[in-house]
Amino acid sequence: DGGITQSPKYLFRKEGQNVTLSCEQNLNHDAMYWYRQDPGQGLRLIYYSQIVNDFQKGDIAEGYSVSREKKESFPLTVTSAQKNPTAFYLCASSIGGQGARNEQFFGPGTRLTVL
Amino acid sequence: AQSVTQPDIHITVSEGASLELRCNYSYGATPYLFWYVQSPGQGLQLLLKYFSGDTLVQGIKGFEAEFKRSQSSFNLRKPSVHWSDAAEYFCAVGAGNQGGKLIFGQGTELSVKP
Repeated sequence: DGGITQSPKYLFRKEGQNVTLSCEQNLNHDAMYWYRQDPGQGLRLIYYSQIVNDFQKGDIAEGYSVSREKKESFPLTVTSAQKNPTAFYLCASSIGGQGARNEQFFGPGTRLTVL
Repeated sequence: AQSVTQPDIHITVSEGASLELRCNYSYGATPYLFWYVQSPGQGLQLLLKYFSGDTLVQGIKGFEAEFKRSQSSFNLRKPSVHWSDAAEYFCAVGAGNQGGKLIFGQGTELSVKP
């Protein structure tokens, strides 16, 4: 079955630690995205990548970093510089290319809690 | 700048009643519009999308949405709600030439009374 997997489902972190969230897709999609979801605020874009070895900042990139070394993988690192990292993180992918016609497919999410 | 507004944070309807969830967008060109549904603790699932053509769009699970350019709206409707429709619903607009970005509304949480 094609789809997007995110791991782990739940993640706990101590303050001051970096943590990496995994996102893998086997849909052969070029574009991948990371969103942060907080209650009452919808989804906010952290980073996105349209092609391997390239990525752009979204609306709330501060305190986060990404890499795109393989087409199927787009890991997100939440650094200690992120002041309020407790949230639900969603990864998505789409066929890609210019324009906004392409629907995004979402993974099941990772809930990060800072202790 | 593009934006999406979902005026209703929370809606409660009785099972079997009709449903309409509102969505207003701000976008200069022809918008690409989407409705997604999210069950608690899960990812988002696409219900339907509008790119062009017929302004009434049919989706999965019996949902439909109507694009009204004059009102900058893309409201989601269902004639008869089932208890399993209880979830959060997000409207989104495609951000044109910005790498396929989606701009999401704040979401509407739907509760269904038996």
